[in-house]
Amino acid sequence: GENVEQHPSTLSVQEGDSAVIKCTYSDSASNYFPWYKQELGKGPQLIIDIRSNVGEKKDQRIAVTLNKTAKHFSLHITETQPEDSAVYFCAASKGNQGGKLIFGQGTELSVKP
Amino acid sequence: DTAVSQTPKYLVTQMGNDKSIKCEQNLGHDTMYWYKQDSKKFLKIMFSYNNKELIINETVPNRFSPKSPDKAHLNLHINSLELGDSAVYFCASSQITSGYTFGSGTRLTVV
Repeated sequence: GENVEQHPSTLSVQEGDSAVIKCTYSDSASNYFPWYKQELGKGPQLIIDIRSNVGEKKDQRIAVTLNKTAKHFSLHITETQPEDSAVYFCAASKGNQGGKLIFGQGTELSVKP
Repeated sequence: DTAVSQTPKYLVTQMGNDKSIKCEQNLGHDTMYWYKQDSKKFLKIMFSYNNKELIINETVPNRFSPKSPDKAHLNLHINSLELGDSAVYFCASSQITSGYTFGSGTRLTVV
């Protein structure tokens, strides 16, 4: 079945450093790849997404890259700040009816001041 | 104005009871979902409704019954609660192929 693998499960960085989270997906028909940030006690919040017709997308300190051939996509956060500390989820969807998202296992990012 | 609101935020109940969680979205989205987040934070889809019609039912026990009276509401009723049902349940909405907007979650604890 459809599967999304996410690594690492935990990531600790110093403030100002970069953080990279990687995901792989199994279904080659997947064409939509969002990233979510979940803070303690809150619901996941969409932070950036990318579609299969694009290789890279950037929004200020956050960027996402997609390699369709390898079925990999990654989240890059530059100049990390303590408020970036949260659990991050990648997800994949085939964009079919219902818009079902398959989520990765999550990465707990800790940014130390 | 909260985009996706679900109630209650916390729910503590005994095994065998029946409980409901309500969800409403004011974004005008056509599709609504229920996701379950387990103790390891893994998010798994349970149900999806599009314009009040059930689209996805992901091998969820029959004790779980979603109901969508209109496209802005998707409620979840759970019968005969079991210890293993303890989790955080998230409601979400979207337009097809776009990102979800999640509610803030309902933490269900079955004792």
